[in-house]
Amino acid sequence: EVLLVESGGDLIQPGGSLRLSCAASGFTLYGYSMNWVRQAPGKGLEWFSYITSSTSTIYYADSVKGRFTISRDNAKNSLFLQMNSLRVEDTAIYYCARVRGSGMSYYYMDVWGKGTTVTVSS
Amino acid sequence: QSVLTQPPSVSAAPGQKVTISCSGSSSNVGNNYVSWYQQLSGTAPKLLIYENNNRPSGIPDRFAGSKSGTSATLGITGLQTGDEADYYCGTWDSSLTAYVFGTGTKVTVL
Repeated sequence: EVLLVESGGDLIQPGGSLRLSCAASGFTLYGYSMNWVRQAPGKGLEWFSYITSSTSTIYYADSVKGRFTISRDNAKNSLFLQMNSLRVEDTAIYYCARVRGSGMSYYYMDVWGKGTTVTVSS
Repeated sequence: QSVLTQPPSVSAAPGQKVTISCSGSSSNVGNNYVSWYQQLSGTAPKLLIYENNNRPSGIPDRFAGSKSGTSATLGITGLQTGDEADYYCGTWDSSLTAYVFGTGTKVTVL
């Protein structure tokens, strides 16, 4: 079974740091681009970061640029998200998802994890 | 603030049909492929439609996607109570260099 499992969510104070992990099973992470999507309480989905298999291309949404860093370890079949300078508005469920499509124009997410909750509050 | 606009809610009786629109611009819907995601309450999103009108394995043909110009549409026929969920469109935005989701639509089965 193809699965993604996120971990690392926690209650953290504003200005703090947190590292999320996303473990893949049932498929080899190498060969797939990956991304992170988050959902604030009661709100819609927000894409915020993308990484290619080789890490040659990385994109961030303006809302996290300069504060979050996406990375991956293909040998460990894992995706990561380093979050620094956390803000109250970063409070959300964080999902990792596998990206498909032969080029950015065809971009879609076919496998999603169940998410991990990050709460930023004093 | 999403660049893709969807109606906040749609509803219909069991067995009926609903359509959900997704309005964008030439930098996103107009020149890139659209996908649709279903999010049941308290669960992760699930891919319903990709590349405008393709269904992944296991998605019934009651779900159909289409696109014309800068708008896309998701249609659900033979509505079932299990279809009650939030639905999001999504696509790449070439100007923003970002993937963008629609504002989301809540489907209610009356």
